[in-house]
Amino acid sequence: GENVEQHPSTLSVQEGDSAVIKCTYSDSASNYFPWYKQELGKRPQLIIDIRSNVGEKKDQRIAVTLNKTAKHFSLHITETQPEDSAVYFCAASRGNNDMRFGAGTRLTVKP
Amino acid sequence: NAGVTQTPKFRILKIGQSMTLQCAQDMNHNYMYWYRQDPGMGLKLIYYSVGAGITDQGEVPNGYNVSRSTTEDFPLRLELAAPSQTSVYFCASSYKGGSGNTIYFGEGSWLTVV
Repeated sequence: GENVEQHPSTLSVQEGDSAVIKCTYSDSASNYFPWYKQELGKRPQLIIDIRSNVGEKKDQRIAVTLNKTAKHFSLHITETQPEDSAVYFCAASRGNNDMRFGAGTRLTVKP
Repeated sequence: NAGVTQTPKFRILKIGQSMTLQCAQDMNHNYMYWYRQDPGMGLKLIYYSVGAGITDQGEVPNGYNVSRSTTEDFPLRLELAAPSQTSVYFCASSYKGGSGNTIYFGEGSWLTVV
C-alpha cells in the first residue's frame, strides 16, 4: 500500500518568512495529493490540492509542487503570518478510500 | 447545513466497556469515513462506506465495527475498549470516492480508555 513520509515534523519561522514542508510517497499510481491544515483542537481542513497531471498549483500565499518522477511533493507558504501556525498534513491517494496521510508538520510562526 | 456532526465530543471509557460514536452528515454525500488520529501522528482510516448498506475495512479496522443503514448516518462501534484505542476519532464524508473529491471532516471525538 501507499506510504507517505513528511518532513520536518516541526518548523518554526519568523513572521514574513517562507515555510516549506516536503512529502514523499511510495505508490506511483497515486494521482491526488491534498494538503490539510489542522488548528489546535479543530478538524483538518483542505487548503490546497494537486493532481498528478499538474506540476504546480498556487492559491494566494500557498503553493504546492509535485515531482512525479521523484515521487515527492511540497507545500510552500510565503509571507507567513501568526494565523498560519497549525499542523499541516500531506496525503496521497488513488481514491478516497485509500488515502494515506503523512505524520504532520507543526508550523509555528513567531511574530 | 451543519456538514459532518459527531457525538460525543469527549468520552472516558473503562477497559472492556463498549460505546458507539455517532456521525451524521447532511450534505447527501455517498462516501463516509472513520479515521483515528493518535498524538503526533497522521490520520489512519478505520472503516469507510460507499453508500447505504455497504461498508469496508480501512487501514486499522481491528476492534471496531460500523454500519450504514442510511445515507446520513455512519456510527462507529467500539467493542471491549482497550487503552490502545485512546485516540481522537474523526468522521468524514465526500460526495464521491474518486480521487479529488474533497473530504469534509467532523469536529472530532476525544476518547480516553482507562
